[in-house]
Amino acid sequence: QSVLTQPPSASGTPGQRVTISCSGSSSSFGSNYVYWYQQLPGTAPKLLIYRNNQRPSGVPDRFSGSKSGTSASLAISGLRSEDEADYYCAAWDDSLSGPVFGGGTKLTVL
Amino acid sequence: EVQLVESGGGLVKPGGSLRLSCAASGFTFSRYAMIWVRQAPGKGLEWVSSISSNSAYIYYAASVKGRFTNSRDNAKNSMYLQMNSLRADDTAVYYCARDGVGATALFDIWGQGTMVTVSS
Repeated sequence: QSVLTQPPSASGTPGQRVTISCSGSSSSFGSNYVYWYQQLPGTAPKLLIYRNNQRPSGVPDRFSGSKSGTSASLAISGLRSEDEADYYCAAWDDSLSGPVFGGGTKLTVL
Repeated sequence: EVQLVESGGGLVKPGGSLRLSCAASGFTFSRYAMIWVRQAPGKGLEWVSSISSNSAYIYYAASVKGRFTNSRDNAKNSMYLQMNSLRADDTAVYYCARDGVGATALFDIWGQGTMVTVSS
């Protein structure tokens, strides 16, 4: 069972906006940043969002992140077929002295 | 090109050992902490171990503590994961990743992964 809780699945049609939630504990989310990773089928994870809402170079601005208290969310606007992937939230956990990941959300583009 | 390449995976019997390697190129390896993350078939990501840039700090997940040893050789731009007393539930793809900042979950460079299968 993951320390961070995500819905196992999400879906949307092309052009739609979808959001994926992630909830944690005070030891993980309390004062720590949230990160999001995208894992396309058969590939390694890729950093998508860092420090709650920052995008690495090359990540489209269709992807956005937010955090409030012990919850965070990833929003994808203008959904495209190539966005079909697994999405993971992550945060540093002070009690573990290590990072924790959410269980992942499989996004299907209908 | 900034790159991480894992090697050393394979099939091993329960109770056996395996040593994974992670070779870095295209960046100053000695400046960065590194981590191992694994993913069991059809499952999510699980942090395994972190090592600081100078090996002064090494942390392990409870599930592998006492069985796995993380180490690095900055002169060889490489990180290693010695896995002993392997169990069926250690079966996973093992990824190494660069820790972009330290004490965060910012892992900005990932290897392609190496598969470890523990089975009799």
